Amino acid sequence: QKEVEQDPGPLSVPEGAIVSLNCTYSNSAFQYFMWYRQYSRKGPELLMYTYSSGNKEDGRFTAQVDKSSKYISLFIRDSQPSDSATYLCAMNNAGNMLTFGGGTRLMVKP
Amino acid sequence: DAGVTQSPTHLIKTRGQHVTLRCSPISGHKSVSWYQQVLGQGPQFIFQYYEKEERGRGNFPDRFSARQFPNYSSELNVNALLLGDSALYLCASSSGGADTQYFGPGTRLTVL
Repeated sequence: QKEVEQDPGPLSVPEGAIVSLNCTYSNSAFQYFMWYRQYSRKGPELLMYTYSSGNKEDGRFTAQVDKSSKYISLFIRDSQPSDSATYLCAMNNAGNMLTFGGGTRLMVKP
Repeated sequence: DAGVTQSPTHLIKTRGQHVTLRCSPISGHKSVSWYQQVLGQGPQFIFQYYEKEERGRGNFPDRFSARQFPNYSSELNVNALLLGDSALYLCASSSGGADTQYFGPGTRLTVL
Protein backbone atom coordinates (compact mmCIF):
# COMPACT_ATOMS: atom_id res chain seq x y z
CA GLN A 1 0.00 0.00 0.00
CA LYS A 2 1.28 3.46 -0.92
CA GLU A 3 1.79 6.05 1.82
CA VAL A 4 -0.35 8.58 -0.08
CA GLU A 5 -3.30 7.50 -2.20
CA GLN A 6 -4.96 9.68 -4.82
CA ASP A 7 -7.61 8.80 -7.38
CA PRO A 8 -5.95 9.14 -10.80
CA GLY A 9 -9.12 10.24 -12.57
CA PRO A 10 -9.58 11.61 -15.11
CA LEU A 11 -12.18 13.87 -13.54
CA SER A 12 -14.25 15.70 -16.15
CA VAL A 13 -16.45 18.65 -15.11
CA PRO A 14 -18.25 21.50 -16.92
CA GLU A 15 -16.93 25.03 -16.66
CA GLY A 16 -18.15 26.76 -13.50
CA ALA A 17 -18.48 23.56 -11.47
CA ILE A 18 -17.06 23.06 -7.99
CA VAL A 19 -14.27 20.51 -8.07
CA SER A 20 -13.29 18.31 -5.14
CA LEU A 21 -9.90 16.56 -5.15
CA ASN A 22 -8.83 14.25 -2.35
CA CYS A 23 -5.93 12.30 -0.88
CA THR A 24 -5.67 9.80 1.93
CA TYR A 25 -2.46 8.95 3.74
CA SER A 26 -1.22 6.40 6.22
CA ASN A 27 1.74 8.10 7.99
CA SER A 28 0.45 9.94 11.06
CA ALA A 29 3.77 11.83 11.31
CA PHE A 30 2.90 14.03 8.32
CA GLN A 31 2.33 17.62 9.46
CA TYR A 32 2.68 19.77 6.34
CA PHE A 33 0.34 19.35 3.39
CA MET A 34 0.62 20.81 -0.07
CA TRP A 35 -1.25 20.85 -3.35
CA TYR A 36 0.63 21.29 -6.60
CA ARG A 37 -0.76 21.81 -10.10
CA GLN A 38 1.13 20.31 -13.01
CA TYR A 39 0.44 21.08 -16.63
CA SER A 40 1.48 18.52 -19.21
CA ARG A 41 5.27 18.15 -19.44
CA LYS A 42 5.88 21.00 -16.99
CA GLY A 43 7.14 21.17 -13.41
CA PRO A 44 4.67 21.18 -10.47
CA GLU A 45 3.45 24.62 -9.37
CA LEU A 46 2.65 25.16 -5.68
CA LEU A 47 -1.01 26.06 -5.12
CA MET A 48 -1.65 25.63 -1.41
CA TYR A 49 0.44 24.96 1.70
CA THR A 50 -1.16 24.08 5.03
CA TYR A 51 0.06 23.01 8.42
CA SER A 52 -1.89 20.52 10.54
CA SER A 53 -5.70 20.28 10.54
CA GLY A 54 -8.08 22.98 9.35
CA ASN A 55 -9.04 24.99 6.29
CA LYS A 56 -7.14 27.50 4.19
CA GLU A 57 -8.63 29.61 1.43
CA ASP A 58 -6.86 31.42 -1.41
CA GLY A 59 -9.05 32.89 -4.10
CA ARG A 60 -10.99 30.09 -5.79
CA PHE A 61 -9.02 27.41 -3.94
CA THR A 62 -9.73 25.94 -0.49
CA ALA A 63 -7.54 23.32 1.14
CA GLN A 64 -8.84 21.15 3.98
CA VAL A 65 -6.86 18.87 6.25
CA ASP A 66 -8.41 16.31 8.62
CA LYS A 67 -5.54 14.65 10.46
CA SER A 68 -7.87 12.45 12.53
CA SER A 69 -9.11 10.81 9.31
CA LYS A 70 -5.77 11.17 7.47
CA TYR A 71 -7.65 12.88 4.65
CA ILE A 72 -6.94 16.08 2.75
CA SER A 73 -8.99 17.87 0.11
CA LEU A 74 -8.67 20.67 -2.41
CA PHE A 75 -11.79 22.48 -3.60
CA ILE A 76 -11.82 24.63 -6.73
CA ARG A 77 -14.77 26.99 -7.13
CA ASP A 78 -15.97 28.34 -10.48
CA SER A 79 -13.65 26.00 -12.36
CA GLN A 80 -12.18 27.26 -15.64
CA PRO A 81 -10.78 25.41 -18.68
CA SER A 82 -7.37 26.78 -17.66
CA ASP A 83 -7.66 24.68 -14.47
CA SER A 84 -7.33 21.55 -16.61
CA ALA A 85 -4.15 19.90 -15.32
CA THR A 86 -2.93 17.17 -13.01
CA TYR A 87 -3.25 17.96 -9.31
CA LEU A 88 -0.71 16.44 -6.95
CA CYS A 89 -1.04 16.28 -3.20
CA ALA A 90 2.21 16.18 -1.21
CA MET A 91 3.13 16.02 2.44
CA ASN A 92 6.05 15.80 4.85
CA ASN A 93 6.87 15.81 8.53
CA ALA A 94 9.11 18.91 8.71
CA GLY A 95 11.93 16.80 7.35
CA ASN A 96 13.27 16.88 3.90
CA MET A 97 11.47 14.64 1.46
CA LEU A 98 8.03 15.31 0.08
CA THR A 99 5.82 12.27 -0.37
CA PHE A 100 3.44 12.69 -3.31
CA GLY A 101 0.22 11.09 -4.36
CA GLY A 102 0.00 9.78 -7.90
CA GLY A 103 -1.94 12.81 -9.12
CA THR A 104 -5.51 13.38 -10.33
CA ARG A 105 -6.05 14.52 -13.90
CA LEU A 106 -8.75 17.19 -14.12
CA MET A 107 -10.49 18.28 -17.32
CA VAL A 108 -12.76 21.33 -17.27
CA LYS A 109 -14.90 21.48 -20.40
CA PRO A 110 -16.13 24.86 -21.77
CA ASP B 1 12.99 37.09 -9.97
CA ALA B 2 13.99 33.93 -11.78
CA GLY B 3 12.55 30.69 -10.53
CA VAL B 4 14.32 27.36 -10.39
CA THR B 5 16.16 26.67 -13.62
CA GLN B 6 17.22 23.29 -14.97
CA SER B 7 19.35 22.19 -17.88
CA PRO B 8 19.15 20.60 -20.30
CA THR B 9 15.42 20.65 -21.05
CA HIS B 10 15.50 17.38 -22.87
CA LEU B 11 18.06 14.72 -23.65
CA ILE B 12 18.27 11.28 -25.17
CA LYS B 13 20.79 8.69 -24.04
CA THR B 14 21.39 5.00 -24.68
CA ARG B 15 21.56 2.22 -22.11
CA GLY B 16 24.82 2.11 -20.18
CA GLN B 17 25.67 5.76 -20.71
CA HIS B 18 26.11 8.40 -18.02
CA VAL B 19 24.12 11.65 -17.63
CA THR B 20 24.54 14.87 -15.65
CA LEU B 21 21.57 17.12 -14.94
CA ARG B 22 21.94 20.64 -13.57
CA CYS B 23 19.83 22.86 -11.36
CA SER B 24 20.05 26.47 -10.17
CA PRO B 25 17.85 27.31 -7.18
CA ILE B 26 15.86 30.47 -6.56
CA SER B 27 18.16 33.28 -5.45
CA GLY B 28 18.64 33.11 -1.69
CA HIS B 29 17.57 29.47 -1.40
CA LYS B 30 20.16 27.17 0.13
CA SER B 31 18.44 23.80 -0.26
CA VAL B 32 17.97 21.74 -3.40
CA SER B 33 16.02 18.50 -3.74
CA TRP B 34 15.84 16.12 -6.69
CA TYR B 35 12.80 14.05 -7.69
CA GLN B 36 12.11 11.50 -10.42
CA GLN B 37 8.68 11.51 -12.05
CA VAL B 38 7.82 8.56 -14.26
CA LEU B 39 5.01 9.22 -16.73
CA GLY B 40 1.61 8.92 -15.06
CA GLN B 41 2.98 8.86 -11.51
CA GLY B 42 3.77 11.35 -8.77
CA PRO B 43 7.35 12.53 -8.18
CA GLN B 44 9.63 10.27 -6.12
CA PHE B 45 12.27 11.78 -3.83
CA ILE B 46 15.90 11.10 -4.77
CA PHE B 47 18.13 13.50 -2.76
CA GLN B 48 18.12 16.66 -0.72
CA TYR B 49 21.11 18.94 -0.16
CA TYR B 50 21.33 21.84 2.25
CA GLU B 51 24.38 24.04 2.54
CA LYS B 52 26.32 21.52 0.39
CA GLU B 53 25.60 18.64 2.77
CA GLU B 54 23.39 15.68 1.88
CA ARG B 55 20.32 15.82 4.15
CA GLY B 56 18.30 12.98 2.73
CA ARG B 57 18.37 10.14 0.24
CA GLY B 58 15.45 8.26 -1.23
CA ASN B 59 15.23 4.63 -2.24
CA PHE B 60 17.37 4.82 -5.37
CA PRO B 61 20.39 2.71 -6.35
CA ASP B 62 23.98 3.89 -5.98
CA ARG B 63 24.02 4.68 -9.70
CA PHE B 64 22.37 7.93 -8.66
CA SER B 65 24.55 10.59 -7.04
CA ALA B 66 24.39 14.32 -6.54
CA ARG B 67 26.30 17.25 -5.19
CA GLN B 68 25.74 20.90 -4.33
CA PHE B 69 28.19 23.66 -5.12
CA PRO B 70 29.18 26.75 -3.07
CA ASN B 71 26.74 28.87 -5.11
CA TYR B 72 23.97 26.37 -4.11
CA SER B 73 23.50 25.04 -7.63
CA SER B 74 23.38 21.28 -7.90
CA GLU B 75 24.11 18.37 -10.21
CA LEU B 76 22.41 14.99 -10.39
CA ASN B 77 24.49 12.21 -11.95
CA VAL B 78 23.16 8.87 -13.13
CA ASN B 79 25.55 6.14 -14.24
CA ALA B 80 24.93 2.98 -16.27
CA LEU B 81 21.57 4.20 -17.53
CA LEU B 82 18.69 1.73 -17.75
CA LEU B 83 15.53 1.98 -19.82
CA GLY B 84 13.62 2.45 -16.55
CA ASP B 85 15.52 5.66 -15.83
CA SER B 86 13.47 7.39 -18.52
CA ALA B 87 11.53 10.05 -16.63
CA LEU B 88 11.12 13.74 -15.88
CA TYR B 89 13.78 14.78 -13.37
CA LEU B 90 12.65 17.63 -11.19
CA CYS B 91 14.68 19.96 -9.05
CA ALA B 92 13.08 21.86 -6.18
CA SER B 93 14.56 24.61 -4.07
CA SER B 94 13.68 25.92 -0.63
CA SER B 95 15.17 28.50 1.69
CA GLY B 96 15.74 25.89 4.38
CA GLY B 97 15.60 22.14 4.41
CA ALA B 98 12.08 21.91 5.80
CA ASP B 99 10.52 24.88 4.03
CA THR B 100 8.17 25.01 1.05
CA GLN B 101 9.70 23.55 -2.07
CA TYR B 102 9.41 25.25 -5.45
CA PHE B 103 9.95 23.18 -8.55
CA GLY B 104 11.76 23.85 -11.77
CA PRO B 105 10.46 22.85 -15.22
CA GLY B 106 12.33 19.54 -15.17
CA THR B 107 14.68 17.69 -17.49
CA ARG B 108 13.06 15.01 -19.61
CA LEU B 109 15.44 12.06 -19.98
CA THR B 110 14.80 9.37 -22.55
CA VAL B 111 16.94 6.22 -22.43
CA LEU B 112 16.91 4.10 -25.59
